[in-house]
Parts: sequence; C-alpha cells; structure tokens
Amino acid sequence: KAGVTQTPRYLIKTRGQQVTLSCSPISGHRSVSWYQQTPGQGLQFLFEYFSETQRNKGNFPGRFSGRQFSNSRSEMNVSTLELGDSALYLCASRLQGSDYGYTFGSGTRLTVV
Amino acid sequence: GNSVTQMEGPVTLSEEAFLTINCTYTATGYPSLFWYVQYPGEGLQLLLKATKADDKGSNKGFEATYRKETTSFHLEKGSVQVSDSAVYFCALRGSGNTGKLIFGQGTTLQVKP
Repeated sequence: KAGVTQTPRYLIKTRGQQVTLSCSPISGHRSVSWYQQTPGQGLQFLFEYFSETQRNKGNFPGRFSGRQFSNSRSEMNVSTLELGDSALYLCASRLQGSDYGYTFGSGTRLTVV
Repeated sequence: GNSVTQMEGPVTLSEEAFLTINCTYTATGYPSLFWYVQYPGEGLQLLLKATKADDKGSNKGFEATYRKETTSFHLEKGSVQVSDSAVYFCALRGSGNTGKLIFGQGTTLQVKP
C-alpha cells in the first residue's frame, strides 16, 4: 500500500515568489493535514481538509492557503515568500473517524533565498 | 488551549541503557496521545498511541501509559539500540472530531555503541 506522497522533495525559491506543494494521501484516506516544521518553532499545524472542505486552520497568515480535490489529493500554496517560510512542510493523511493517528509523508524541504 | 511539553534534549545514552522521555500535556476533555519518531531526512512515523486514560501503547519495545491524574505520557524503552537514534515527538489530538495534532518540541536521542 503506497504511503503519503509529497512532491517535490526539495524546492528553492526567491523571496516574493509563490510556491505550490502537492500531497497525495494514502488510498481511502479523505482527511489531509499540513504542518510546518522549523528548528525554532517546531511542528505547527497549518490546516486540515476533509472532502474538499477546510475543517481547521492554524495560526498562519493568509499567504498560506490550501485546497483539496475530489480525489483527496491536496495542495498548499504560499504566496509572497519570505525568508522565514523556509521549512520542512509535512503532509499527513488519516482515515476519518480513525484514531490510528496520521500517516506522514517525507515532506517538502522549501528554502527561500 | 491544548499544549504538550517534552523534556529537553539531547539525550545521550549507551547501547542497552534504559530510556525515559518525559511528556506532559494540558488539554480539556479526553485527548488522544501519540508518540512519533523522525529519522534524519524523513517524515514522522507513528510509534505508539493511547486513546483513553490508563491505556498503554507499545511498539518495537517502546511503551507509554496515558496517565490522566498526572497528565503525562512518558516514553520508555528497556534497552535502547544505536538504531533508535532519532528525534521523538509527543503529540495530542483534542477531543471531538478534530484532526489537528499538537506537538511537543521534540527530544533528540543519541545512542552510542
């Protein structure tokens, strides 16, 4: 059974640009969440989607947005990139209603220069 | 709001030593508790979980017991191996149907031969 797939694995962008990251959940998982991981702030929740609807949102500026498609694949977008957006972005999926926790992807390492 | 506090690392042990990583939480209601592990360059892997008071989660020799009276979920292993070297995260998922995970700051474990 394929795991959570995130693309690309690495990305380098310039300040002011925008970026889109992609996440394909485990087959059958309809709930997808995104997290930002940095050395200073640790793991912080960005947002959660279920059936194409955003259910929860973390405390991030409006430059961070996401969406989920009918096949449960999800994308997150960061506009007007800042140096502080450099981080590992992790996507996770779970079976809605399951308490088996989330399965995480390997992440996308974003570097803003 | 909900929060998780982990003991600060790094923790350095010799092979076959006993491991304890402390984790305490603050939450309303009845959260679910998790331990995740992150190896270098990878995403998070679910190590174990507990969903109600007095539950004991266990996997690969690691154990943790959900103690509501002390709001704790300490991770233990009787005999660590070099291959256990990684970063360990304690996390909680609040009551209700939220998928949001709140993580502790992570504890780096280094096991020396």
